Amino acid sequence: AQSVTQPDIHITVSEGASLELRCNYSYGATPYLFWYVQSPGQGLQLLLKYFSGDTLVQGIKGFEAEFKRSQSSFNLRKPSVHWSDAAEYFCAVGGSNTGKLIFGQGTTLQVKP
Amino acid sequence: GEEVAQTPKHLVRGEGQKAKLYCAPIKGHSYVFWYQQVLKNEFKFLISFQNENVFDETGMPKERFSAKCLPNSPCSLEIQATKLEDSAVYFCASKRGKIPGSDGELFFGEGSRLTVL
Repeated sequence: AQSVTQPDIHITVSEGASLELRCNYSYGATPYLFWYVQSPGQGLQLLLKYFSGDTLVQGIKGFEAEFKRSQSSFNLRKPSVHWSDAAEYFCAVGGSNTGKLIFGQGTTLQVKP
Repeated sequence: GEEVAQTPKHLVRGEGQKAKLYCAPIKGHSYVFWYQQVLKNEFKFLISFQNENVFDETGMPKERFSAKCLPNSPCSLEIQATKLEDSAVYFCASKRGKIPGSDGELFFGEGSRLTVL
């Protein structure tokens, strides 16, 4: 079955601290992987994506993610979190056959001053 | 347009009433997707279109839900006889091509919040 698991429902970090949000996926074909951010009352904004090549991908706002096929993971990282990073983060997987994305449950990031 | 436009932003319906939501995809985008987000949780895929043709409807509830994308008109998602559990934010997204990531980015609208009382 195709699925995405984000084990952490809620994470709180201090401003300036590093961040890692976990994502594990189950997908039968070659996965295309995405991280989106959703601010309150807003739609989804793409942070970064992976579909081939270098397994460490850089995104917007200083985020990066690493694809590890052996672990079926695509964890999102940021070296130093800013208060404006507080939001909901969604990991998603898709394939080339249908185009649709399967989303994880989301992780709520809270940033302490 | 340069953004996915969804209307209305908020819609309140009594149980059993009809609800209809609209989505204007970005000009030049051939694929339109509808997702349902309940209680800020995961996004559930409902249906996708390639131009005016249904491309994938595996997530669409067979009863009460229908959707269309007609030429020269906004796409629509209609719920007949709404139920309390239909309360959610419905997101529309569009992209140029089929393949995620390489055929252009998937752009999301800001969503339409449906509240069923």
